[in-house]
Amino acid sequence: SAVISQKPSRDICQRGTSLTIQCQVDSQVTMMFWYRQQPGQSLTLIATANQGSEATYESGFVIDKFPISRPNLTFSTLTVSNMSPEDSSIYLCSVEDKGLKAFFGQGTRLTVV
Amino acid sequence: DAKTTQPPSMDCAEGRAANLPCNHSTISGNEYVYWYRQIHSQGPQYIIHGLKNNETNEMASLIITEDRKSSTLILPHATLRDTAVYYCIVRVPLNTGNQFYFGTGTSLTVIP
Repeated sequence: SAVISQKPSRDICQRGTSLTIQCQVDSQVTMMFWYRQQPGQSLTLIATANQGSEATYESGFVIDKFPISRPNLTFSTLTVSNMSPEDSSIYLCSVEDKGLKAFFGQGTRLTVV
Repeated sequence: DAKTTQPPSMDCAEGRAANLPCNHSTISGNEYVYWYRQIHSQGPQYIIHGLKNNETNEMASLIITEDRKSSTLILPHATLRDTAVYYCIVRVPLNTGNQFYFGTGTSLTVIP
């Protein structure tokens, strides 16, 4: 199983600023995924990040708002840009292992004030 | 668009079997059904997955109907620690990789 570490675990940010969330995996993986979980809601896929290529974004999410980096096979970052209170959510990083299971980080709880 | 539908909440007595239903009527032949659970403030935890056949592991059993349009997750002897939100998920194979589409989840409360 993959072990995923996310940083920060939580943050309170001012509107108009940006926050970069880091995701570190203990093994090399091809695909990394970023999800958003709004308060009381299910998880929604933001984008899929491949190493060495542009991230693929789901409908309703754009690169200017959620730029993603994937510099190597064990690391990715998600930036939440120009934040507003509506961006207050839990952001989760996920990977899929060779056993076809998805593993999730503990999430980053973001509050925008 | 949601690929799965689940009841929003269920209760189960401690020690009894918890049966959580899920409808996935538009599932395609190569799409797997997965179940995860999320305990408050934690990341989702894998429970079980299957394609066509029923599956069992140390945590649960997964019963998939023959037409694959619905499934049931069974926790054989529910404990208080099984109180969580349970997500039924369809895994869709795409050119960019397998993607997991979460349903709305069922909030299971195990009652002493």
